[in-house]
Amino acid sequence: QKEVEQDPGPLSVPEGAIVSLNCTYSNSAFQYFMWYRQYSRKGPELLMYTYSSGNKEDGRFTAQVDKSSKYISLFIRDSQPSDSATYLCATTIIQGAQKLVFGQGTRLTINP
Amino acid sequence: DVKVTQSSRYLVKRTGEKVFLECVQDMDHENMFWYRQDPGLGLRLIYFSYDVKMKEKGDIPEGYSVSREKKERFSLILESASTNQTSMYLCASKTALSSYNSPLHFGNGTRLTVT
Repeated sequence: QKEVEQDPGPLSVPEGAIVSLNCTYSNSAFQYFMWYRQYSRKGPELLMYTYSSGNKEDGRFTAQVDKSSKYISLFIRDSQPSDSATYLCATTIIQGAQKLVFGQGTRLTINP
Repeated sequence: DVKVTQSSRYLVKRTGEKVFLECVQDMDHENMFWYRQDPGLGLRLIYFSYDVKMKEKGDIPEGYSVSREKKERFSLILESASTNQTSMYLCASKTALSSYNSPLHFGNGTRLTVT
């Protein structure tokens, strides 16, 4: 069993839809959670970073962590074609730790 | 902005060849990483380095080695390429500081095909 499971998709939604991307993890020691976004032919880049259970909002993006159920989510409101990318969740035990554990990535397409 | 540059975008090599993948970062980061990315498997860590001439194995080091002679440069070496090493290879760098938001900075990848 992988430490972090993520539905690889692909996921295709119309422009303006609310998108929900999800990961589950198995190790309760994981404390820090990240979402990376990867555009086609590019390397991943950090989108959001969260620590505590609850929600963290940044513009149209909301990261949600539920440590009791070991479940992390990324919501995208008013999705745009420019949001089309692969989204990878990642986690680690120690703040600033060198080794991250990544999910498989979900390929998302927003159709105009 | 941090820039991580991978020397080749595409490489095609033959089975048994020795392959070098080069990566350079310009932000004086202490830590550098090599990942491979495969469909359905996500990013898997091959090796990382936290200082010049220092290295540590990641999750899938078999068949690979690394070299870090200078702080800004981290090389991945496939001693004898095999077809199961066909993949996208991503280099990344990171500051050693344990700050709240010190992300990995990735290069744009090298797509290696071994025939």
